[in-house]
Amino acid sequence: KQEVTQIPAALSVPEGENLVLNCSFTDSAIYNLQWFRQDPGKGLTSLLLIQSSQREQTSGRLNASLDKSSGRSTLYIAASQPGDSATYLCAVRPQGGSEKLVFGKGTKLTVNP
Amino acid sequence: EAGVTQSPTHLIKTRGQQATLRCSPISGHTSVYWYQQALGLGLQFLLWYDEGEERNRGNFPPRFSGRQFPNYSSELNVNALELEDSALYLCASSLAIKRGAYEKLFFGSGTQLSVL
Repeated sequence: KQEVTQIPAALSVPEGENLVLNCSFTDSAIYNLQWFRQDPGKGLTSLLLIQSSQREQTSGRLNASLDKSSGRSTLYIAASQPGDSATYLCAVRPQGGSEKLVFGKGTKLTVNP
Repeated sequence: EAGVTQSPTHLIKTRGQQATLRCSPISGHTSVYWYQQALGLGLQFLLWYDEGEERNRGNFPPRFSGRQFPNYSSELNVNALELEDSALYLCASSLAIKRGAYEKLFFGSGTQLSVL
């Protein structure tokens, strides 16, 4: 059974700092991994999608990497801003026919001005 | 282009009642997913519809059910509501998986269901 873990559960940093959020998964048989952002009481906004054959994806100040063999992904946020404060979720789409995403519980990021 | 839309945004019910939640996918998307996000539990997969058929369901009791209409919009019904059904219910859509690479999921803003 695929399980996704995100560490740390919460992170507080000063504005301008570069930071890394971690995601690990137990089964490397995945189609892709997706990073989302969730603001309190709101839905999810897709940030980056990495296919299993890819190593990384970049969008603006965000860079996500994927090491499928070791079951790890990182989300790097450069020059953090208070507007980046949110919960960041990673999710994997397992192989094997279930076709559903398996989510981690998220990392709650607070960027202090 | 409109994103995934869900209605209502908030719903208050009492124990034993029924709730109906609605979702309209992005135009051109035929797959619709439902997830439950209860406080402290993370997102749990509920149901997946594709081309009008239920393709998979998560580990939820039968009182959670739904359907997908010919225009690909979807409805989630929760019967005999219990207090622990209180949660944010999120709908997501994507292109059909038969198109090849597994597509990005786009989520709506959710329906906050409160059971009193």
